[in-house]
Amino acid sequence: QQQVKQSPQSLIVQKGGISIINCAYENTAFDYFPWYQQFPGKGPALLIAIRPDVSEKKEGRFTISFNKSAKQFSLHIMDSQPGDSATYFCAASTSTGNQFYFGTGTSLTVIP
Amino acid sequence: GAVVSQHPSWVICKSGTSVKIECRSLDFQATTMFWYRQFPKQSLMLMATSNEGSKATYEQGVEKDKFLINHASLTLSTLTVTSAHPEDSSFYICSARYKSSYEQYFGPGTRLTVT
Repeated sequence: QQQVKQSPQSLIVQKGGISIINCAYENTAFDYFPWYQQFPGKGPALLIAIRPDVSEKKEGRFTISFNKSAKQFSLHIMDSQPGDSATYFCAASTSTGNQFYFGTGTSLTVIP
Repeated sequence: GAVVSQHPSWVICKSGTSVKIECRSLDFQATTMFWYRQFPKQSLMLMATSNEGSKATYEQGVEKDKFLINHASLTLSTLTVTSAHPEDSSFYICSARYKSSYEQYFGPGTRLTVT
């Protein structure tokens, strides 16, 4: 059973536009929600992460919005650039556990 | 900070041979290390979790005799793929976590091709 559901599977955005990727979870014990960026042939790199005590976190052009009641969180990439073209994974974990549960990934293409 | 390295970055081996992949935390002590496998255009699949000095905990469906994991020190874990077959060809990624952190820090991955 997929613990974290991610959508869309792929996304094409024009340069300067906003990219939005959504994730949903069921386990209310999750309390840590990171987003990763992965380029082909490379390992995932942490972009930004949020804890459920806040509804939004912003770092540069990247923002996480978190809706605890809906059990959903999303990544917004403002002013998307061609260099942002990569695969993005959301994940969820508990503070007491080791395991990260990853979403299925979103392939983002930003066209000039 | 929190840099994880993997060696080699890519390896080609013949069917039936064994290959070892190293994962090192370069600037922190990793109390827990994780090994993932990733197929093209798919998500990361956790294979096993290891704590320093303890036996690894394997996920369901992962053959522990085929994928040998050793977490010998707080900065080094190794994954040995024994008697490799073409279906073991994949991208293997390790990650490491230190005790007080929520985060897992990922290595750059190792591309294994078995011919």
